Amino acid sequence: GAVVSQHPSWVICKSGTSVKIECRSLDFQATTMFWYRQFPKQSLMLMATSNEGSKATYEQGVEKDKFLINHASLTLSTLTVTSAHPEDSSFYICSAVRVPYEQYFGPGTRLTVT
Amino acid sequence: LAKTTQPISMDSYEGQEVNITCSHNNIATNDYITWYQQFPSQGPRFIIQGYKTKVTNEVASLFIPADRKSSTLSLPRVSLSDTAVYYCLVGEHRDDKIIFGKGTRLHILP
Repeated sequence: GAVVSQHPSWVICKSGTSVKIECRSLDFQATTMFWYRQFPKQSLMLMATSNEGSKATYEQGVEKDKFLINHASLTLSTLTVTSAHPEDSSFYICSAVRVPYEQYFGPGTRLTVT
Repeated sequence: LAKTTQPISMDSYEGQEVNITCSHNNIATNDYITWYQQFPSQGPRFIIQGYKTKVTNEVASLFIPADRKSSTLSLPRVSLSDTAVYYCLVGEHRDDKIIFGKGTRLHILP
């Protein structure tokens, strides 16, 4: 089956620093990837849609200058949390679309901002 | 995107069959019903998808009545490892962005 990886699986950073999270589709090309975040005991919340070769589309209420998304190739999308603060601590999950009509999720990245 | 309603939580015992029902009164003609499973600190995993009647795979069965306003995910003979959150989703394609509802937290007891 299709595999999506994320790196790192967990990261701890100091407040004010930036953190980059990678999402890779390992055995298929993905024109579209999605980024979600999930707080403890809550459901996944869609943050943005990442399209290869174009700007990401952000959901309402998500700061595009804080959560930078780059989809530079058909197998890689990155999410950079800029100037991270403790309230950005969360579980970040990506998914990749394998056409037609299939979406696969990564294992998630746990971000802790101290 | 059609709104879905499912129980917040359920408990069951090992070896039992578990049925989780999801209501989606506003389902559109082109919508499919998809269920995902999520373990703690992991990404969601696709379980099953259906349009009408019954679908079965190696993991679960999905029952959809004729009016399609609800669906039931059936897990046969659950084990402790089936403890997870189960999400019912309604949409036209699995490649669309997914708006997750609250899901059902299933707890399997020994």
